[in-house]
Amino acid sequence: DGGITQSPKYLFRKEGQNVTLSCEQNLNHDAMYWYRQDPGQGLRLIYYSQIVNDFQKGDIAEGYSVSREKKESFPLTVTSAQKNPTAFYLCATRPGTGNTGELFFGEGSRLTVL
Amino acid sequence: GQSLEQPSEVTAVEGAIVQINCTYQTSGFYGLSWYQQHDGGAPTFLSYNALDGLEETGRFSSFLSRSDSYGYLLLQELQMKDSASYFCAVRTGGFKTIFGAGTRLFVKA
Repeated sequence: DGGITQSPKYLFRKEGQNVTLSCEQNLNHDAMYWYRQDPGQGLRLIYYSQIVNDFQKGDIAEGYSVSREKKESFPLTVTSAQKNPTAFYLCATRPGTGNTGELFFGEGSRLTVL
Repeated sequence: GQSLEQPSEVTAVEGAIVQINCTYQTSGFYGLSWYQQHDGGAPTFLSYNALDGLEETGRFSSFLSRSDSYGYLLLQELQMKDSASYFCAVRTGGFKTIFGAGTRLFVKA
C-alpha cells in the first residue's frame, strides 16, 4: 500500500532526553514536512525538505533537528533544547509536480514528556 | 509576520449550509487549501484554490479572492460526520505551506 508511516504512534520521554520520530513514505513524493500540533490549535511548521540532502527551517525549528539522506525518509529529532515538546507531531508529503496544493499526512506521533 | 485568521468555532444543524471564512496575510501566495481533521486523526485534504473563484467538490465548495486575501469553505447538506476541525492553509512559496489555527465545526441534530 502506498502511504506515509509514522512511528512510534505514542512516545513517552523523560525531560532531558532526545527522541527521534520516524517518517517513511513510499509515494515517491519529493517534498516532506514536519508539523507540530498542540491541543485545540493549528499546525505549525517545524522543518521541510524539497529534495534529498536539503531541508529548510520552518516557523518553530528551535530545539528540533532533521535529516533527509533518502527520498523516502525524513526523521525528526526532538532535542532536550526543546522546552515544551509535548505535542502531536505530523509528517506530510507533497509531489514535486502538479499544482493541487495537496499535502498528504501520516497518522501522527503523540509525544508526552514526563 | 504571516497570519491566517479563521473563526474558532461554528455551530450548525444537520442539513444546513455553513461557511467558514479565512483571511490571510502572507509574504507570498501560491494558493489556499482546506483540510478536515477529526479528533485524534490526521488532516485530510478537501480543496485547493490557486485562482479567484469557486471550486466545487460534491457537498464542499471553496472560494478565493486574491485581491481581498480572503477565502471560504462552504459545506452543504451538513451531516453529523462533518463535525470536525477545518483548517485553511496557504502555500507561501516554493514548497512552504502554513496553516491557520482551525475552526471547530459542531453539527447538531
